[in-house]
Amino acid sequence: QKEVEQNSGPLSVPEGAIASLNCTYSDRVSQSFFWYRQYSGKSPELIMSIYSNGDKEDGRFTAQLNKASQYVSLLIRDSQPSDSATYLCAVNQAGTALIFGKGTTLSVSS
Amino acid sequence: DTEVTQTPKHLVMGMTNKKSLKCEQHMGHRAMYWYKQKAKKPPELMFVYSYEKLSINESVPSRFSPECPNSSLLNLHLHALQPEDSALYLCASSHEAPSEQYFGPGTRLTVT
Repeated sequence: QKEVEQNSGPLSVPEGAIASLNCTYSDRVSQSFFWYRQYSGKSPELIMSIYSNGDKEDGRFTAQLNKASQYVSLLIRDSQPSDSATYLCAVNQAGTALIFGKGTTLSVSS
Repeated sequence: DTEVTQTPKHLVMGMTNKKSLKCEQHMGHRAMYWYKQKAKKPPELMFVYSYEKLSINESVPSRFSPECPNSSLLNLHLHALQPEDSALYLCASSHEAPSEQYFGPGTRLTVT
């Protein structure tokens, strides 16, 4: 059974702080890793994708991948109230569908 | 342009009705997906079309019938649904299965 695990939260951080969201996956041959942001009542929005070990930065977002530890994370720097949402980790290997984690709810207080 | 459109935005239907959900993308993507999402749960994959052919059916009941008329369009035909089928139905597309997927805004379905 391929699994993607995330802490459901809520993760609460003050405005301006760094939010750290974590995800582990069970299938060692997974190749592609994605973070989606979903606001309440809206559809998921792709915010980061990462395919190789290390860090990938895009604005205030940094994705980190460690395939040996089967671990992927998302850091949000200078968190804003508008970042309050559910963050979904998704993982896949070639030829199969994405597997989503259950999501982590982030709350940024002003 | 990473836009996937879905119609209608909201749909209320009775258990004896037949309705269809529509999805369209103009990004040249060759894979399209239907997901079902219940409140506070992650999206749950229903169907995958790759190059206009059904490649994955996640044991979805036959009251849901997908159709891919061409590479830009994806339909989901609904018939004899149950109240527990009420959910947000999401369409997504990707360049190929299963690379980066882009979701449409969804159709909020209520079955009465």
